[in-house]
Amino acid sequence: DVQMTQSPSSLSASVGDRVTITCRASLGIRNYLAWYQQKPGKVPKLLIYAASSLQSGVPSRFSGSGSGTDFTLTISSLQPEDVATYYCQKYNSAPQTFGQGTKVELK
Amino acid sequence: QVQLVQSGAEVKKPGASVKVSCKASGYSFTDNSLTWVRQAPGQGLEWMGWINTYNGMTDYAQNLQGRVTLTTDTSTNTAYMELRSLVSDDTAVYFCAREAHSGYDYLPSWGQGTLVTVSS
Repeated sequence: DVQMTQSPSSLSASVGDRVTITCRASLGIRNYLAWYQQKPGKVPKLLIYAASSLQSGVPSRFSGSGSGTDFTLTISSLQPEDVATYYCQKYNSAPQTFGQGTKVELK
Repeated sequence: QVQLVQSGAEVKKPGASVKVSCKASGYSFTDNSLTWVRQAPGQGLEWMGWINTYNGMTDYAQNLQGRVTLTTDTSTNTAYMELRSLVSDDTAVYFCAREAHSGYDYLPSWGQGTLVTVSS
């Protein structure tokens, strides 16, 4: 099975900072990669699909890039409401594995 | 709008089974596959399995094979996840999520989650 590895596992940044989270697949998955945001006690929310397509209603400060095995989620200017855990997920085939998550906190 | 409404919290003893429902509305039920995901307390998201709501095909996580069964009732637009031989490690919030299309896909819509607690 393809493993999904996110880094870092947690990070602390200031409001306005540029934040980058990476996700690496153990085998190529083309662009079948999604990013989700989950706030404590809440349901995961889709941010990005097809590696770089912004889900409707998601602020434009979120962006995704990558293809094959290496992917990136970028928050261009961190806002207080972006404090959450972020997960990548491959969805080209089963198992549709999630990364282990990256917790983003405010400094 | 698309809604997935799950059944309520459950408390089960070790060795028992649990069946969680996920009632869909706001779209044609058989047009989109459904995925089940669980999240143990303080842990990440774990993909459990997938069901094609049109033809009933399923795929399951290897670590749950033989203990989990996904089914649907197209007459009521409801999906079910049954987990058997429960152990304490199965304590988690269980989510159903609608795939964007009929095959394997990203998950734009999620149920509210169902807490299953396994405790003696």
